[in-house]
This record gives sequence, structure tokens and C-alpha cells, in this order.
Amino acid sequence: EIVMTQSPVTLSVSLGERATLSCRASQSVGSHLAWYQQKPGQSPRLLIYGASTRATGVPGRFSGSGSGTEFALTISSVQSEDFAVYFCQQYSKWPPYTFGQGTKLEIK
Amino acid sequence: EVQLVESGGGLVQPGGSLRLSCAASGFMFRAYWMSWVRQAPGKGLEWVANIKEDGSEKYYVDSEKGRFTISRDNARNSLYLQMSRLRTEDTAVYYCARNDYSVRWYYYMDVWGKGTTVTVSS
Repeated sequence: EIVMTQSPVTLSVSLGERATLSCRASQSVGSHLAWYQQKPGQSPRLLIYGASTRATGVPGRFSGSGSGTEFALTISSVQSEDFAVYFCQQYSKWPPYTFGQGTKLEIK
Repeated sequence: EVQLVESGGGLVQPGGSLRLSCAASGFMFRAYWMSWVRQAPGKGLEWVANIKEDGSEKYYVDSEKGRFTISRDNARNSLYLQMSRLRTEDTAVYYCARNDYSVRWYYYMDVWGKGTTVTVSS
């Protein structure tokens, strides 16, 4: 099973700042990596797939990068609606699909 | 509008059974793999099972093999999860999710329902 590790657990940023969230896989997943956003009381929302392709309707301030075992989700200028928990997920070697434990993006 | 609506959650005693349903609308259900993903209170996401478009292939997380059964009815645009011998650690919100792909076999979850809550407690 591929273990996904996200860092940091919590990231505190101010409005308008750049935020970078990291995700590491225990073995190579190529570019088969997705990012999801989850706000309190809501279901997850797909942001990025294929490591760097934005899903339909996702604002351009969100970008994904990386391949192999190291990945990043960058929000170029954090807006109020971006404060949420973000999960990475590998879909290269399954079953099982595996998720990271999440990074909470909070207001500084 | 593409939509997934889960139902069937509730309070059940340890050792009991429950059947979850997911009603799909707004897309060609029979053309997609589908998954169940759960989230225990205050915890992260855990993939539980998925099923091929025609139901001929099913995969499960190892810990649930033998207790959970995923199925689908393409005529009814519905996905199901039969859960048996439930344990307190099965307490979670269960989400139904559509699986999409850029390259076949590499599926990510592009549409999620709002979830249904399962509580296992005596």
C-alpha cells in the first residue's frame, strides 16, 4: 500500500499570501495524484488531477506540481473561501486508493 | 446537473447490518466506475470500495473484505454498499463518488455526494 504524507498539518496564512502545501508518496505514483478541498460540513471537491490539471471550475490561483513522490499544491493569493482542509490522493497503484491525512489551511 | 445523493445511514448496534444507497442523476451512470469513501469523525478520507461500469469487477480495502459488498443497478442509476458485522470503528460519513480518468485504469474521484452518516453504537 502506498502511504501518502502531507505537510504541514496546519498552515497559517494571511489573505492575499501565497500558500504551498506538500504531499509525499512512499513510492512513485507518476503523475497520478489528485488534490481535494473540503470545507467544514461539506463533501470533498476535486481541485487537481494528473498532478497539475485543474478540474472544471477551479480558479486559476490553484496550481499543482510534481511527479514521482513529491507534489505540491500552490494557492497564489489566498482568498477567504480557500480556508479549508486539503487532501492529496494517489490513484496510481490501487487497490487501495490512498489519501494523505490532510493539511488545514487557516487564517493567520 | 450532475448529482449523487446518498441515503440509508443511521444508528445501528455493533454486529448489525446496513445498506447504503446512492442515487445518481445528470450523467450516464452506466459509463462510470463508482466508489464509496468514508470519513470517521474528525479524521481523513478512506477509500472503501469501487465497482466497474457493468458491475463485473469490484475492489475493496483489505480491512473490509468479506464484511462489505458493493453493487450497482444501472437501470435504476443506483450504487449500493451492503455492510454487515458492523463495528464501532465503522462509524463515519460514507460518500459515494464518481470515478473519472484521463488514462483508463487511473481513476480519480471527480463528483462526490453529500454523504450519509453511519453510527455504530450500543
